[in-house]
Amino acid sequence: DAKTTQPTSMDCAEGRAANLPCNHSTISGNEYVYWYRQIHSQGPQYIIHGLKNNETNEMASLIITEDRKSSTLILPHATLRDTAVYYCIVRALNTGTASKLTFGTGTRLQVTL
Amino acid sequence: GAGVSQTPSNKVTEKGKYVELRCDPISGHTALYWYRQSLGQGPEFLIYFQGTGAADDSGLPNDRFFAVRPEGSVSTLKIQRTERGDSAVYLCASSSRLAGHMIFGPGTRLTVL
Repeated sequence: DAKTTQPTSMDCAEGRAANLPCNHSTISGNEYVYWYRQIHSQGPQYIIHGLKNNETNEMASLIITEDRKSSTLILPHATLRDTAVYYCIVRALNTGTASKLTFGTGTRLQVTL
Repeated sequence: GAGVSQTPSNKVTEKGKYVELRCDPISGHTALYWYRQSLGQGPEFLIYFQGTGAADDSGLPNDRFFAVRPEGSVSTLKIQRTERGDSAVYLCASSSRLAGHMIFGPGTRLTVL
C-alpha cells in the first residue's frame, strides 16, 4: 500500500469545521482512500472511504483532489467528542475485502471549547 | 452483541509465560485481522484470515506468535515465551464482503512483567 503524509497535530474550536489534510502522492489507480479515527483507549473507528469522487456520510465528508494525490477529511461541526487521532490510509481493493490496512501515526485532533 | 468483542480486556503475565487472546468477530464476517499497538504508535498489522486460513501472516514478528481460526469465526492469538517487548494493545477487526471496511474491537491490553 502507498504511504500517506499527515500533520502530526491540529486544533479546532468546537462548533467549527475541522479540515484534516492527507497527502498520498504515490497512490495507485486501484487504491482507495480510507479514514479511521481512534479515540483514547478505544479501537480504531471507520469514518469514510472513497476512490475518486467526493463522499459524504453522517460522520464526515471526504474531498479527493482530481489527481488523487491528496484528500481532506471534513468534520463539519466538530465537538469535544471528535478529539482523537485520525488516520488516512490508502488500500488496494482489487483482491476483495480481505486486504490489510497499513496505519501511519495519524493526526492528533484536539477540539477545544 | 453487534460489535467485535475481545477477551480478556486486560492481561498481565510474567516474562516467559504463554498467553492466549481471543477475538469474536461480527457474525457472518469472513475476514478477520489482528493488529498490535504500542504506546504513541499506529496499529501494526500482524495477520489476517479469510475464512479459516491465514491469508497473510507477514506481520507476525517471530515464531513465538501464532493465530488460529479453526471454524472461520472466533480467532485466538497465541504468544509463547512472552517478552517484555510484547507488551501492547492487541486489536482484532473483522469485515464482510459487502461493506468492505474493517470494524475493530476494543483491544486486549497485554502487560508482560
